[in-house]
Parts: sequence; structure tokens; C-alpha cells
Amino acid sequence: DAGVIQSPRHEVTEMGQEVTLRCKPISGHNSLFWYRQTMMRGLELLIYFNNNVPIDDSGMPEDRFSAKMPNASFSTLKIQPSEPRDSAVYFCASSLAGVVDTQYFGPGTRLTVL
Amino acid sequence: AQSVSQHNHHVILSEAASLELGCNYSYGGTVNLFWYVQYPGQHLQLLLKYFSGDPLVKGIKGFEAEFIKSKFSFNLRKPSVQWSDTAEYFCAVNGPGTASKLTFGTGTRLQVTL
Repeated sequence: DAGVIQSPRHEVTEMGQEVTLRCKPISGHNSLFWYRQTMMRGLELLIYFNNNVPIDDSGMPEDRFSAKMPNASFSTLKIQPSEPRDSAVYFCASSLAGVVDTQYFGPGTRLTVL
Repeated sequence: AQSVSQHNHHVILSEAASLELGCNYSYGGTVNLFWYVQYPGQHLQLLLKYFSGDPLVKGIKGFEAEFIKSKFSFNLRKPSVQWSDTAEYFCAVNGPGTASKLTFGTGTRLQVTL
């Protein structure tokens, strides 16, 4: 199995631009998670999908952030417009069934907003 | 809100030294506890987890953790570290009150010297 796949691995953009991060979960996994990691706040859950349905998006910082999961094998996290404070590493993770099941993480996308 | 504290931010040990990394959480109810590890250049991966039963949990690579309910702690231990244990270690907690959210500590960077 290829594991969780994220793209791009690195993204540098200018303030105000739209950024789209992509994730392909492990085949057969029903749950998908988006996390953000910063030095100040550590690893924070942004949103969690179960069977392609958003279950908890309370961690999404503001309306500039949106996430979709159109099918079981693909999810996107979009930031529009981006701001310098959005600079962070964004991780996608998947699990067979829910939060307490082992979560398998992708390599992350390092986002820099200038 | 539930919080997870890892008081050691950076630990440096010589090979063969014993390791104990602290993890304390704020939630007083039933919890599920995890340790994840991120080796340099690799994905976050599960080291061990505790749901119920024997409070001493054994994980991969000789690691173990002990759940002490009265101290709200889940410290990670290894009797003799190796250079290959150099990594960042994250404690995470999940409980019924935050069933859809795995709360991570800020991580402890372990550096093992030869």
C-alpha cells in the first residue's frame, strides 16, 4: 500500500492567493483527518470526515478555510485568500474507522505564505 | 477544553541511557491515550496506544507507556535508547467529551548521541 498521499509537498505562495492541498487516503479507510502543525500551537485537528461526510469542522480557523471529500479516495483543503499566518505544515491522515482507530499520516504539505 | 502537556521540549541522551518522556492531560473522564513518533524525514506513525485493561502498554521498538489515572499521566519509557530513536514524540488523548477530536501535545524532540 502506498500509504496516505499528499500533494504538493511544498507550496510557496503570496498573500491573497488561493491554495489547494490534496490528499488521497489509504484505500478502504473510512475516516479522513486534516491537521495543521505550527511551532506555537502544535498539531491541531482542522476537520474530520467519516464516509466522506464532514463530522467535526470545529477546528477550521475561519471562513477562509474549506475542505471537501467528493469521494472515498480524495479530499482537498482550500485556503482562500491565504495569509502569512496560515504558514504551517498541513497533514492528512486516514483510519479504518474513526478517531480511536490508528491514524496513518501522510508526509505533510509545508505551506509558506509570503 | 481538553489539553495535553508535554513538558520536555527537547531531550538529549547518550546511547544506552534510559528514557522517560512525560505526558499529562487535563480531561478527568474515560480517555484513550496514544504516543505517535515522527522519525526524521518520515511520516507520523503510531508507537503505542491505551484504551483499557493493563495500564502498562508495550509498543513497537521496545517502547512502553504507563497510564496512571490518579496522575492524569501517560509517560513513555524505554530502558535503553538507540541512536535510531532520534525523533519527535507526540502524546495524544481522546475522550468521550471530544469524541471526534484527537488532541496532541506539542511534541518532544529526542536526540540520541553516540
